[in-house]
Amino acid sequence: DGGITQSPKYLFRKEGQNVTLSCEQNLNHDAMYWYRQDPGQGLRLIYYSQIVNDFQKGDIAEGYSVSREKKESFPLTVTSAQKNPTAFYLCASSISWLGAGGAPEAFFGQGTRLTVV
Amino acid sequence: AQTVTQSQPEMSVQEAETVTLSCTYDTSENNYYLFWYKQPPSRQMILVIRQEAYKQQNATENRFSVNFQKAAKSFSLKISDSQLGDTAMYFCAFMKHNNNDMRFGAGTRLTVKP
Repeated sequence: DGGITQSPKYLFRKEGQNVTLSCEQNLNHDAMYWYRQDPGQGLRLIYYSQIVNDFQKGDIAEGYSVSREKKESFPLTVTSAQKNPTAFYLCASSISWLGAGGAPEAFFGQGTRLTVV
Repeated sequence: AQTVTQSQPEMSVQEAETVTLSCTYDTSENNYYLFWYKQPPSRQMILVIRQEAYKQQNATENRFSVNFQKAAKSFSLKISDSQLGDTAMYFCAFMKHNNNDMRFGAGTRLTVKP
């Protein structure tokens, strides 16, 4: 079955450590996204990528880094520079606006809950 | 960056009744896409309905319909014959037509009461 997979579902990080969240899709989508979800703040865009080897900062990129070496994968690293990383992280993918021919639906993973301990 | 505002943090509706969720957005673009996504307690995001700004006709999907007012930059979601399974967070989202940058509002928590 085609879909988008995030792992792990729960992640614990000690203060001062970097941690990487995995996001893989087999939908052949060009575009991929990372969002952070906090109570009362909705989904805030961290980074998005429209094509391999390209990515753009969203509203809250500070303290995060990404790579897009393969079409299928868009890992997110939460660095020690991120002062308040405890949150729910959602990854999504969609077809590129170039080939969409209409509003492109985004497909979401099931999320990763990151907790700093 | 475009901004999306959902002014109703929480709403409730009786089963079988109709409810309207509000969304406004700020953009200087003429062409763009708008979406409503649903996030039930499982936290799995699901597309409810989408609208292309160049289409004047409001989108409908079964019990879900939108009222798209381009000049007012308003994109409300109407849910008819509300069902218990409609209980969820609802997010409005905006995307430019020539870029995959997609921004969401803060969400509205909808509770359908039996």
